[in-house]
Order: sequence, then structure tokens, then C-alpha cells
Amino acid sequence: DAGVIQSPRHEVTEMGQEVTLRCKPISGHDYLFWYRQTMMRGLELLIYFNNNVPIDDSGMPEDRFSAKMPNASFSTLKIQPSEPRDSAVYFCASSDRSSYNEQFFGPGTRLTVL
Amino acid sequence: GNSVTQMEGPVTLSEEAFLTINCTYTATGYPSLFWYVQYPGEGLQLLLKATKADDKGSNKGFEATYRKETTSFHLEKGSVQVSDSAVYFCALGGSGTYKYIFGTGTRLKVLA
Repeated sequence: DAGVIQSPRHEVTEMGQEVTLRCKPISGHDYLFWYRQTMMRGLELLIYFNNNVPIDDSGMPEDRFSAKMPNASFSTLKIQPSEPRDSAVYFCASSDRSSYNEQFFGPGTRLTVL
Repeated sequence: GNSVTQMEGPVTLSEEAFLTINCTYTATGYPSLFWYVQYPGEGLQLLLKATKADDKGSNKGFEATYRKETTSFHLEKGSVQVSDSAVYFCALGGSGTYKYIFGTGTRLKVLA
């Protein structure tokens, strides 16, 4: 299996621009998680989906952030408009019920907002 | 609510030294416990896990025992290597939810 795939690996953009991060979970996994990692705040769960449905978005920092999962093999995290404080590494992870909640992480997208 | 408390880093050790990274938790129900490792520039990888009390997870020379009486899941390794330098995260999962609660991470640096 290819594992969780994220794109792009690096993104540099200017304040005010729209940013879209992409994730392909492991085939057959029915849970998908988006995390943000910064030095100041550590690893934060932003939102997670089950069977393509958002279950808990309480970690989404504000309305500028949105996430979708149109099908079982694809999810996006969008920031519009982006701000310098959004600079972080964003991870996607997936899991299924049979693995005792073990989550498999992607390599992350390093976002820099200038 | 559920929480995980992990020892502060960084931890700096010489090669072949003994490693302990402390992790304690608060949870209702019967959570699973995990240790993840993050090497520089990479995502998190599962290092080991334990799904019930008294279980011992082990992998690559690392061990951790799920101790319900002390609500702990300390990570140990008898002899660390330079290649073990990374950030280690303790996590709590399950117990009625598929969300993880992560600790803050402990950076380990092993010197040759």
C-alpha cells in the first residue's frame, strides 16, 4: 500500500491567497483526520471524518478554514484567506475500525504564508 | 475529560544509555495507548501500542507497559542509538471515540 498521500509537500504563498491542501487516505480506511503542527501549539486535531462525513470540527480555528471529503479516497483542507499565523505543517491521517484506532500519518504539507 | 501528560524535553543522552520518557493519562473507559515517533522532516509513525491494561507494546527495542493502577505508559529503551534521535509522542485513543489525545511530544537527542 502506498500509505497516506499528501500534496503538495511544500507550499509558499502570500497573505490573503487561497491555499488548498490535499490528502488521499489508505484504501479501505473509513476515518480521516487533519492535524496542524506548530512549535508553539504542538499537534492539534482540526477535524475528522467518518465515511466522508465530518464528525468533529471543533478544532478548526476559524471560518477561514474549511475541509471537505467528497469521496472515500480524497479530502481537502482549504484556507481562505491565508494569514502568516497559518504557517505550520499540516498532516493528514487515516484509520479503520479494525486497527484499535491506530492512525497512519501522511508526510505532511509544510505551509509558509508570507 | 481525557488528557495525556508527557515529560518535557529535550532529552539528551549518550549512545547506549538507558531511555525513559514518562507518559501519564486521564481517561474514562478503556482507552488504547500509543507511542508515535517523528523523525526530522517526516510524519508520525506508530512505534508501539497497547490496547488493554497490563499489555506491553514493543518494537525496535522500545517497550511500554499499560499500567492502569498508575495511569501510565512510560517509554523505555535499554540502549539508545544516534538513529533514535527524534520526537516521541504519547497518545490516547479509543474509549468511545476515534480521536486521539496527543501529548506535547518529547525531543530526544542521542550523541555519539
